[in-house]
Amino acid sequence: GAGVSQTPSNKVTEKGKYVELRCDPISGHTALYWYRQSLGQGPEFLIYFQGTGAADDSGLPNDRFFAVRPEGSVSTLKIQRTERGDSAVYLCASSSLGSTQYFGPGTRLTVL
Amino acid sequence: EDKVVQSPLSLVVHEGDTVTLNCSYEVTNFRSLLWYKQEKKAPTFLFMLTSSGIEKKSGRLSSILDKKELFSILNITATQTGDSAIYLCAGHGSGNTGKLIFGQGTTLQVKP
Repeated sequence: GAGVSQTPSNKVTEKGKYVELRCDPISGHTALYWYRQSLGQGPEFLIYFQGTGAADDSGLPNDRFFAVRPEGSVSTLKIQRTERGDSAVYLCASSSLGSTQYFGPGTRLTVL
Repeated sequence: EDKVVQSPLSLVVHEGDTVTLNCSYEVTNFRSLLWYKQEKKAPTFLFMLTSSGIEKKSGRLSSILDKKELFSILNITATQTGDSAIYLCAGHGSGNTGKLIFGQGTTLQVKP
């Protein structure tokens, strides 16, 4: 069956550019999460959507980061004015309400 | 502040050995403890533990939770080279957010 998919798998950009990362959750999963994983660290929570609304965005590091989920399915994580410190693997996960989170393969973002 | 600490951070063993990975947690309104295996980018779900003292088992892997001591272990018996991966532990608190608090991970290398 189809799992969580993320595109692109790799993204290289220059400092100061804008990037969008896409997540397509498992069909029927109402909850969607974004995490960021730096080298040698565990994933760090960024934002949680229940349906179309962001129920918890307390993990977004600053106002350069923004995420949307307009139709309650696909989500896009947007990063403005990228910095070298934004380089990481961005992971998306989805779940049914209250159930186990299943992760996608991630997008490796490199900011030069 | 919620936190999850894993030990050891890395481990090298030979095929056939038994390993024990440790996870301690401090999570507000604790609900469950999860273990994931991460081989390339996507963490894959192993176990979710909610009750103290009840062992969960899947093949050569098993895990148990101690809610009094705020601790969990993951055991792998008769290790194989395919067990080489990063093992992540995550705590899940209650409330209307589903975010997971991850530890740093334990990198396991199984040599032939």
